[in-house]
Amino acid sequence: QKEVEQNSGPLSVPEGAIASLNCTYSDRGSQSFFWYRQYSGKSPELIMFIYSNGDKEDGRFTAQLNKASQYVSLLIRDSQPSDSATYLCAVNFPPSNTGKLIFGQGTTLQVKP
Amino acid sequence: DTGVSQDPRHKITKRGQNVTFRCDPISEHNRLYWYRQTLGQGPEFLTYFQNEAQLEKSRLLSDRFSAERPKGSFSTLEIQRTEQGDSAMYLCASSSTGIPEQFFGPGTRLTVL
Repeated sequence: QKEVEQNSGPLSVPEGAIASLNCTYSDRGSQSFFWYRQYSGKSPELIMFIYSNGDKEDGRFTAQLNKASQYVSLLIRDSQPSDSATYLCAVNFPPSNTGKLIFGQGTTLQVKP
Repeated sequence: DTGVSQDPRHKITKRGQNVTFRCDPISEHNRLYWYRQTLGQGPEFLTYFQNEAQLEKSRLLSDRFSAERPKGSFSTLEIQRTEQGDSAMYLCASSSTGIPEQFFGPGTRLTVL
């Protein structure tokens, strides 16, 4: 069974704080991992993806991957109220040649002014 | 705007009616995906096209669902004899072979009365 697990939240942080969102996945052979942001009533918007163990930074966002622990996380620095949304973790499970994504249920983030 | 487009954005239908949705991917993308999303859940994979070939279908896709991509450009998703359980957001995404990012359209929200 190919599964992606996220805590549904809500995760509440004050404005300016670091928000940490976590995701675990079931298949150790998975190769690529994605974070999407979804505002209420809208479609998912790609934030970033990561392949390799370690950190990948893009602006205020940092994705962290630990394949041995089957764990991927997203850090949002200097959180803003506009970051309040649902964050979806998605995994491309093997065989990965189709690009099909399996999504977690999402974590709702609330950034309070 | 050169992103993924979907039509219609909203559809309300009565149980038992047939509905058809259209997706126009990003023009240079040869891969096209359909997902379905219900409230509080992440998107669930339905089917995948590479060019005009439908290469994978989820077990979620019952016999009432059919998808086409006749010329490898736009795609249609038809649901026959709709049921209330079909009420959901239907999302289309596109990507290119060898490039992992999938970009989503705005979705079609289906309500079956």
